[in-house]
Amino acid sequence: ETGVTQSPTHLIKTRGQQVTLRCSSQSGHNTVSWYQQALGQGPQFIFQYYREEENGRGNFPPRFSGLQFPNYSSELNVNALELDDSALYLCASSPPGTGGRNNSPLHFGNGTRLTVT
Amino acid sequence: AQSVTQLGSHVSVSEGALVLLRCNYSSSVPPYLFWYVQYPNQGLQLLLKYTSAATLVKGINGFEAEFKKSETSFHLTKPSAHMSDAAEYFCAVRKNRDDKIIFGKGTRLHILP
Repeated sequence: ETGVTQSPTHLIKTRGQQVTLRCSSQSGHNTVSWYQQALGQGPQFIFQYYREEENGRGNFPPRFSGLQFPNYSSELNVNALELDDSALYLCASSPPGTGGRNNSPLHFGNGTRLTVT
Repeated sequence: AQSVTQLGSHVSVSEGALVLLRCNYSSSVPPYLFWYVQYPNQGLQLLLKYTSAATLVKGINGFEAEFKKSETSFHLTKPSAHMSDAAEYFCAVRKNRDDKIIFGKGTRLHILP
């Protein structure tokens, strides 16, 4: 069983640039969530995708956007990068529930470490 | 809105001693609760979850947690600490009918030889 994989593992960008992070969900999982983990903090929920549509969003500005593809893989896009966007970005997938709502635990990838200079 | 508070950003215990990591939750309805562990440069791994089936939940690596509604707590324990338990531990809550999982700020567990 293949787990959640994220790419790239590390990334350095300049303020104002745009970045795309990628995530392949665990086999059989159709829900993908993205979290931002700043240094020394717990993960903060960005948004969640189910059946290629966003079905939950945290307190992040619109320059954080995402996509989910038919194979359930996902992208996180961040425009106009700011220094405070430097963080570990975690992708997590979960298996099918009822209408995308269930209590299955999240299965996390190892994250992408983004540094904005 | 639901949230979790982890008491103590750093906890140190001696190898072989009891591990106790504290978590209190705030939720308007009985929540679903989780404990995750994060090793350096890795993602989060599920230790255990509470889903109202039993108040004492056993997880992996010898960890367990007890749900106490009267105290709104879900503390994580392990009878005997091992060096390999050194990591960051996160308590998390999911409100019923809401998929979003909210994490606490984490507690870093240090194991002293």
